[in-house]
Amino acid sequence: EPEVTQTPSHQVTQMGQEVILRCVPISNHLYFYWYRQILGQKVEFLVSFYNNEISEKSEIFDDQFSVERPDGSNFTLKIRSTKLEDSAMYFCASSEREGTEAFFGQGTRLTVV
Amino acid sequence: AQTVTQSQPEMSVQEAETVTLSCTYDTSESNYYLFWYKQPPSRQMILVIRQEAYKQQNATENRFSVNFQKAAKSFSLKISDSQLGDTAMYFCAFMKLDNYQLIWGAGTKLIIKP
Repeated sequence: EPEVTQTPSHQVTQMGQEVILRCVPISNHLYFYWYRQILGQKVEFLVSFYNNEISEKSEIFDDQFSVERPDGSNFTLKIRSTKLEDSAMYFCASSEREGTEAFFGQGTRLTVV
Repeated sequence: AQTVTQSQPEMSVQEAETVTLSCTYDTSESNYYLFWYKQPPSRQMILVIRQEAYKQQNATENRFSVNFQKAAKSFSLKISDSQLGDTAMYFCAFMKLDNYQLIWGAGTKLIIKP
């Protein structure tokens, strides 16, 4: 069964460093998303991406964040100059077309120390 | 702005019992989608069930069913014959149809006891 895959499963980084979280969405899906879940809290929308551009972003998604689809299969989230409060689970999701359910990856746990 | 409220932070039932998780939402939209996602200890987010707001019939998926009350903006999840593997966090989510982003409730921790 096709699935969304995310790497790495756990990333530890020093405060101030840049990290790139990687996702491979399901191959025929056209819509891509990043969500964040700070431990024990609700899942928060970060950004949606369609047709090689950001279609929507939340207020959390400031200049520290960027997304890219570099090669037609990967979908990356870059976090520059990480802060302690960026520690969270980051989920990538994809959906086949508008209005359909999103399929989620297993998440990347980011720990900023 | 849309909001999703799950008023039960934690619930616990015996195996084989039926349990209902509540979810209410606030929106001025007339058409939208609603979802229940399950997040087991593995942390993956798994779709449980989906409901289109324009459909009056409640969605059902095996042991999982919803009670969708559009006028009351309520979307509860019923789990019948609960199993130990149902132990997880359950999140209710609302999907806007203008940008398809999901807006999430705070989650309900469900514990199924043997």
